[in-house]
Amino acid sequence: AQSVTQLGSHVSVSEGALVLLRCNYSSSVPPYLFWYVQYPNQGLQLLLKYTTGATLVKGINGFEAEFKKSETSFHLTKPSAHMSDAAEYFCAVTFNQAGTALIFGKGTTLSVSS
Amino acid sequence: DGGITQSPKYLFRKEGQNVTLSCEQNLNHDAMYWYRQDPGQGLRLIYYSQIVNDFQKGDIAEGYSVSREKKESFPLTVTSAQKNPTAFYLCASSPASGGANVLTFGAGSRLTVL
Repeated sequence: AQSVTQLGSHVSVSEGALVLLRCNYSSSVPPYLFWYVQYPNQGLQLLLKYTTGATLVKGINGFEAEFKKSETSFHLTKPSAHMSDAAEYFCAVTFNQAGTALIFGKGTTLSVSS
Repeated sequence: DGGITQSPKYLFRKEGQNVTLSCEQNLNHDAMYWYRQDPGQGLRLIYYSQIVNDFQKGDIAEGYSVSREKKESFPLTVTSAQKNPTAFYLCASSPASGGANVLTFGAGSRLTVL
């Protein structure tokens, strides 16, 4: 069975500091991995995704994530946090089979202080 | 602009009442989904539909029902059998289900049981 674990329900950083949000997955087949962001009382929007090919994936707003098969991880990073990055972030997994739905982690709330 | 419209944004229900949440998309997507979001729980899949007149149960389908009579519409009914219905409900769609398909989310409906 597939599953996603996000380590740390709440991460706090200062503006300009490195952002690191952790995601580990469990999958018996090659996974497709996603990061979504949610601002208060809104739906989710895609930050980036990994399917195949290059393991370092760049997304919107300066975020990137690296797929590490040996560590079953897909951590999200941003070199310099901005106040507007404060939101909830979700890691999600699926695999290459029609008829499946995304499985989401429990989310990590990112706070950015000035 | 193409997108997903959920209504109502806020809904209050008395115990024992059924309520229906609307979800309409004009993206011409085949697949549609309903997720439930509770604080600290992430998103949990209620139902999804790959095609008109067909749908599958997700992880927490008990107490909910759906229909898919039209490609663009996927309403969710929260029945009186759902013991703890207070939550934020998110509808999403994608070109097809599974694989690298990216989900587009609506802005959500917040249901409160009085």
